[in-house]
Amino acid sequence: DSGVTQTPKHLITATGQRVTLRCSPRSGDLSVYWYQQSLDQGLQFLIQYYNGEERAKGNILERFSAQQFPDLHSELNLSSLELGDSALYFCASSAPTGTPLDNEQFFGPGTRLTVL
Amino acid sequence: EDQVTQSPEALRLQEGESSSLNCSYTVSGLRGLFWYRQDPGKGPEFLFTLYSAGEEKEKERLKATLTKKESFLHITAPKPEDSATYLCAVRESGGGADGLTFGKGTHLIIQP
Repeated sequence: DSGVTQTPKHLITATGQRVTLRCSPRSGDLSVYWYQQSLDQGLQFLIQYYNGEERAKGNILERFSAQQFPDLHSELNLSSLELGDSALYFCASSAPTGTPLDNEQFFGPGTRLTVL
Repeated sequence: EDQVTQSPEALRLQEGESSSLNCSYTVSGLRGLFWYRQDPGKGPEFLFTLYSAGEEKEKERLKATLTKKESFLHITAPKPEDSATYLCAVRESGGGADGLTFGKGTHLIIQP
């Protein structure tokens, strides 16, 4: 158990809909990262938040957005869903910058999204 | 152009048969190379971080090594419970995205 929690575990929805995925980082971690894992693309970095602020963007679509709240949990919002958005979505967290092990990312169990 | 390439894609070994997995990478500056283990339907589990050429890290039957262009994950006398997908990832230095760039993984099966 990495200490990172994600809800829900599974989500089934229809094309065109909007969903919200939730992540709580490990205790003490300030960074939250979102990744998408599909069979053809592998694990791809979407976006990073650090202590409530967006820090870095990867291959995130404009239909997707995220935020990190004052209690440090994060939400990933996916809208106008398409069949191709079906994937595993992972959240990871890391220790504050400048602390030991701040380079390591620890992953949650993921949310499996199925778009029908 | 792929920054991280793992080989082989799949590997089937007999219990006790040692082998190595390869991860080739292309980055302008390496801030860290990471190995993860992933079981089906689960999140990646952190194994090792390597920072500079010549560095080695060990954990039970696993040993990771790093050169300037590639990393190896050596598995010694594997057991069936070592069966998983092993993922390699890099983090570039010099600003930009802090996210990891992953390879497609090596699917390892250890037969009893």
